[in-house]
Amino acid sequence: QKEVEQDPGPLSVPEGAIVSLNCTYSNSAFQYFMWYRQYSRKGPELLMYTYSSGNKEDGRFTAQVDKSSKYISLFIRDSQPSDSATYLCAIGISSGSARQLTFGSGTQLTVLP
Amino acid sequence: DVKVTQSSRYLVKRTGEKVFLECVQDMDHENMFWYRQDPGLGLRLIYFSYDVKMKEKGDIPEGYSVSREKKERFSLILESASTNQTSMYLCASSLRPALSPTQYFGPGTRLLVL
Repeated sequence: QKEVEQDPGPLSVPEGAIVSLNCTYSNSAFQYFMWYRQYSRKGPELLMYTYSSGNKEDGRFTAQVDKSSKYISLFIRDSQPSDSATYLCAIGISSGSARQLTFGSGTQLTVLP
Repeated sequence: DVKVTQSSRYLVKRTGEKVFLECVQDMDHENMFWYRQDPGLGLRLIYFSYDVKMKEKGDIPEGYSVSREKKERFSLILESASTNQTSMYLCASSLRPALSPTQYFGPGTRLLVL
């Protein structure tokens, strides 16, 4: 079993839709949770991160973490064509190791105008 | 703004060639990472470095080596390129874990080995 599992997609939605992207993880020691966005032929860029269970909101984006279920989600409200990208969850342990993050395989999202 | 640059966006090499991929970051970050990204497999860690001249193997180090002679520069070396090393290679850097877990990525190098 992979440490981090992510719905592979691809996901295609109409403009204005609410998008839900999800990851599950197996290691209860994971402490922080991130979402990266990667446009085609570019490197990933950090979108959101959180340490705690619950919701964190930033504009049209909401990150949700449920540590008891080992489940994280990213919601995008009022989705736009510019949101079309691959979304990667990344989960990590705050320890002495520099290794830090384990990434999901990514979900490819297309928002149709 | 953190900037991570990679020496090439696209490379085409022949089987058996020695390949050097260079990465430079300008934010005085302690940690640097090399990943490869393949469809359906996501980001897989090849090697990382937590200090000058220090390195640790990631999940898939076979066929690769790394060099970190200066804090800002981290090189990935394919000793003898093979076709199964055709991939997108991403470099990243970060502060030490106690300060921030965020990794900042370069634009990637698409390597094709013929």
